[in-house]
Amino acid sequence: DGGITQSPKYLFRKEGQNVTLSCEQNLNHDAMYWYRQDPGQGLRLIYYSQIVNDFQKGDIAEGYSVSREKKESFPLTVTSAQKNPTAFYLCASSNRGLRETQYFGPGTRLLVL
Amino acid sequence: KQEVTQIPAALSVPEGENLVLNCSFTDSAIYNLQWFRQDPGKGLTSLLLIQSSQREQTSGRLNASLDKSSGRSTLYIAASQPGDSATYLCAVLIMIYNQGGKLIFGQGTELSVKP
Repeated sequence: DGGITQSPKYLFRKEGQNVTLSCEQNLNHDAMYWYRQDPGQGLRLIYYSQIVNDFQKGDIAEGYSVSREKKESFPLTVTSAQKNPTAFYLCASSNRGLRETQYFGPGTRLLVL
Repeated sequence: KQEVTQIPAALSVPEGENLVLNCSFTDSAIYNLQWFRQDPGKGLTSLLLIQSSQREQTSGRLNASLDKSSGRSTLYIAASQPGDSATYLCAVLIMIYNQGGKLIFGQGTELSVKP
């Protein structure tokens, strides 16, 4: 089956701890994205990558880091610098090109202990 | 700065009703507009994508329209069913110089269809 997988489904973070959220796609898409969703709000862009070994900050990149070493993988690290990390995190991918839609993974819910 | 607003934030209707969800955006320089569906605790599913040169798109009981000049889009759902209950999000695609496309999302409309 082609698609986007995110793991884990739920993640708990202790104070001062860095945690990494996984995102994998087998759609052969060039572009990948990370969004954050808070209750009752739309999605806000954290980071995105148009091609392997390249990525750009989105609107709320502070306290987060990413890497794009492989086309199919785009992990997101929530660092201890992110003071309010509790949220629902969504990964997406798309072919490059203005007419292409983004396909979303099932999401990871991050909670702070 | 592009802003996307959806009204109402929540809507409850009896089964069988036709309904309209609204989306407005502040800058008409968009490349396309998409409507997504999100079930509780799940990811997003694309419903309809309207290119900036198009006026509407249809898929089954769904019809989305786009009026770029007025900065508005509507999602029309015919003969609503309990299975349509979900949050509906609209998003516009804008271009950022040298960085590619970026989706700007509204906050969503939570729809509940009562049997």
